[in-house]
Amino acid sequence: EAGVAQSPRYKIIEKRQSVAFWCNPISGHATLYWYQQILGQGPKLLIQFQNNGVVDDSQLPKDRFSAERLKGVDSTLKIQPAKLEDSAVYLCASSLGLDIQYFGAGTRLSVL
Amino acid sequence: AQSVTQPDIHITVSEGASLELRCNYSYGATPYLFWYVQSPGQGLQLLLKYFSGDTLVQGIKGFEAEFKRSQSSFNLRKPSVHWSDAAEYFCALNFGNEKLTFGTGTRLTIIP
Repeated sequence: EAGVAQSPRYKIIEKRQSVAFWCNPISGHATLYWYQQILGQGPKLLIQFQNNGVVDDSQLPKDRFSAERLKGVDSTLKIQPAKLEDSAVYLCASSLGLDIQYFGAGTRLSVL
Repeated sequence: AQSVTQPDIHITVSEGASLELRCNYSYGATPYLFWYVQSPGQGLQLLLKYFSGDTLVQGIKGFEAEFKRSQSSFNLRKPSVHWSDAAEYFCALNFGNEKLTFGTGTRLTIIP
C-alpha cells in the first residue's frame, strides 16, 4: 500500500514570495491533515479536512495561509506571502478514522 | 486545555542499554495516547498506541509503553537499544476527535 506522498521535499524562497505544497493521501482515507513542525518543536495542526470539507482550521493563519482539497483526494497548502517565521517542515497526514494518522515525509521550507 | 509534556529534550544511551522516554499529559479524562518516531528527513511513524484495556502496550521495533492513570504518564521503553533507534520520539494524544496534540519531542542519541 502506498503511503502519503508529498512534494516538493525541499523548498527555498525569499520572504514575501509565495509557495505551494502538495499532498496525496493514502487511497481511501477521508481525513487529511496539514501540520507545521518548527525546528525543535512537535507538529502543530494547521487544518483538518474530512473529504473536501474543512473540519478545523482554527490554527491556520488565514491572512497568509490557504488550503484546499477540491475533489476530496489530494490537497494543496499555500503560503502567500511567506515570512521568515514560516520556515518549518510541513507535514501531511491522512487517516481512515480509528484515530491513527499516517504521515508523509514532509516538505522542508526555508524562507530567506 | 490538554497538553503533553516530554521532560527530556535529549537523551544519550549506549547501544545495548535499556531506554525509557517520559511522557506526561494534562487532561481531565483518559485520552488516546500515541508514540511516534521521526528519523532525520522522514515523516512520523507510529510505534504504538493506547486506547483502552491492558495498560502495557506492545509496539513495533521492540518498543513498549505503559499507561499509568495515577501519574498521567505514558512512558516508552525498550530493553536493549540498537544504533538504528537514534531518532526523535514524539508522544501525542487525542480525545477521540482525531486531533493530535504532540509533545516537543525527545532526541535519542546512541553511542557505541
